[in-house]
Amino acid sequence: GENVEQHPSTLSVQEGDSAVIKCTYSDSASNYFPWYKQELGKGPQLIIDIRSNVGEKKDQRIAVTLNKTAKHFSLHITETQPEDSAVYFCAASIKGTYKYIFGTGTRLKVLA
Amino acid sequence: IAGITQAPTSQILAAGRRMTLRCTQDMRHNAMYWYRQDLGLGLRLIHYSNTAGTTGKGEVPDGYSVSRANTDDFPLTLASAVPSQTSVYFCASSGQASTGELFFGEGSRLTVL
Repeated sequence: GENVEQHPSTLSVQEGDSAVIKCTYSDSASNYFPWYKQELGKGPQLIIDIRSNVGEKKDQRIAVTLNKTAKHFSLHITETQPEDSAVYFCAASIKGTYKYIFGTGTRLKVLA
Repeated sequence: IAGITQAPTSQILAAGRRMTLRCTQDMRHNAMYWYRQDLGLGLRLIHYSNTAGTTGKGEVPDGYSVSRANTDDFPLTLASAVPSQTSVYFCASSGQASTGELFFGEGSRLTVL
């Protein structure tokens, strides 16, 4: 069945450094790839998304890249800040279905 | 403030008991979802509803049921709780099924003893 693999499971970076989280999806019909940030005790919140007809998208310090051929997509956070510390989830979905398949999450710690 | 409201926030339940987790949204979204979150397993879809009156099974539906009598409410029922259903449950909604932003509630932490 459909699967999304996410790596690493934990990531520690120094404040100001960059962080990269990678995901791989299995279903070639996937066409929408959102990233969610979950702070402690809260529900996940969308931070950025990308659709299959786009290779890269940026929003200030956050960027997402998509390689459809390799079925990879990645989240890039530059100039990390302590408030970036959270759990990040990637997901993939297929147009016309109910399916959002989530990765297993990455716990990011930004060390001051 | 518009959004998703879940209740209860947390609950301890004896095995074998029936439990309903409530979810209400005021954004008039057609699609609603229930996920469970377990350490190391991420978010797994239990049940979903693309519109009022219809529901469907997700990845892990066994032991759970849902109903969607109207647009706003999407309760999740555990008919006879078991310890493996100990988890954090998140309700979500989307204005556009599968290709739109999911809005999540704050979660309901359920412990089954």
